[in-house]
Amino acid sequence: NAGVTQTPKFQVLKTGQSMTLQCAQDMNHNSMYWYRQDPGMGLRLIYYSASEGTTDKGEVPNGYNVSRLNKREFSLRLESAAPSQTSVYFCASSEGAFNTGELFFGEGSRLTVL
Amino acid sequence: GNSVTQMEGPVTLSEEAFLTINCTYTATGYPSLFWYVQYPGEGLQLLLKATKADDKGSNKGFEATYRKETTSFHLEKGSVQVSDSAVYFCALRRAGGFKTIFGAGTRLFVKA
Repeated sequence: NAGVTQTPKFQVLKTGQSMTLQCAQDMNHNSMYWYRQDPGMGLRLIYYSASEGTTDKGEVPNGYNVSRLNKREFSLRLESAAPSQTSVYFCASSEGAFNTGELFFGEGSRLTVL
Repeated sequence: GNSVTQMEGPVTLSEEAFLTINCTYTATGYPSLFWYVQYPGEGLQLLLKATKADDKGSNKGFEATYRKETTSFHLEKGSVQVSDSAVYFCALRRAGGFKTIFGAGTRLFVKA
């Protein structure tokens, strides 16, 4: 079972470059999320998509954009990368709001911005 | 707003020792509570959960009880193994909500 798949797993960018992180889930989940993980700060929500066709800002949306391409796919774009965006990014999915709320995570994408 | 506070790490224990990782929360209403575990180089995975007061979640020898009176959800295990070395995250999700709020994580090292 693939579950949640993220690409790429590693990426090095220069300041000002752009890139897109891709995420796909095969569990027919309604909701998808992008988190970033930084030392000592746990996971912080960047954007989420409660259902296909909707997206909303989380705690730390500045500098990012998202696209819910279809029910399976949810991408995160950095238009002009900054060193402060050096982090590990996790995509996650869940069935939706009115359920137990368990999140299923991808393996993460480690991004370094020089 | 909703928030989760968990004890700072790292926590270092010898094999077969008793483990407690404290977690307290602030939330309106009756959130669901979770413990997630992250093994080195991997994403997070659900360890256990509880959806209402006095519920006890359990899995792989780990337990946590949803205590509404103390707004706590402490993680315990009676005898840890080296393979339990990981980062543990306490989290909450408001009933009917979409967002999960995480604590900062507690790193556990278990020595043989």
